[in-house]
Amino acid sequence: SAVISQKPSRDICQRGTSLTIQCQVDSQVTMMFWYRQQPGQSLTLIATANQGSEATYESGFVIDKFPISRPNLTFSTLTVSNMSPEDSSIYLCSVGGSNEQFFGPGTRLTVL
Amino acid sequence: KNQVEQSPQSLIILEGKNCTLQCNYTVSPFSNLRWYKQDTGRGPVSLTIMTFSENTKSNGRYTATLDADTKQSSLHITASQLSDSASYICVVSPFNDYKLSFGAGTTVTVRA
Repeated sequence: SAVISQKPSRDICQRGTSLTIQCQVDSQVTMMFWYRQQPGQSLTLIATANQGSEATYESGFVIDKFPISRPNLTFSTLTVSNMSPEDSSIYLCSVGGSNEQFFGPGTRLTVL
Repeated sequence: KNQVEQSPQSLIILEGKNCTLQCNYTVSPFSNLRWYKQDTGRGPVSLTIMTFSENTKSNGRYTATLDADTKQSSLHITASQLSDSASYICVVSPFNDYKLSFGAGTTVTVRA
């Protein structure tokens, strides 16, 4: 298993601003994933972050809005840029592969 | 499009009673099917993982079943406790693909 921590755990932000979410894993992992969970809905994959290469974004998500960094095998950041109320969600990072994925505790973001 | 559908959307049960959650999926071929428990404000935590060749898996008071022929799974909670109040998410992992297919979840509320 993997122990994943995220910072911040929650935040309230003003529209038009940006927030960077950090994800730290207690072991080296190849693949890290960023998910969004909108209120009352299940998880949607935003992008896959691989160390040493550009993140791979899913349909509907773009790098300008959700830039991702992956400087090493234990850490990643997701920035939510130019926020609007529609970005209010829980953002989760995850590690693993096809056999198992472990999730962080999530960052609850509210945009006013 | 791969889909995972869960029912019911929500349910309320009395402490000590049993309940069964359903999951139907169209993902094919698939590597494994998982049930996650997500407490409010937390990330999902894995309860059971089953490969296509397994038809039952238990984790304490949680028992998952899988019928790969009919593409159905269920999660049975025995002797429910207040701490079982959470969202339960069915997740299917496609064969040779790290992109998971998530159900919308079933919200279980256990009342004293």
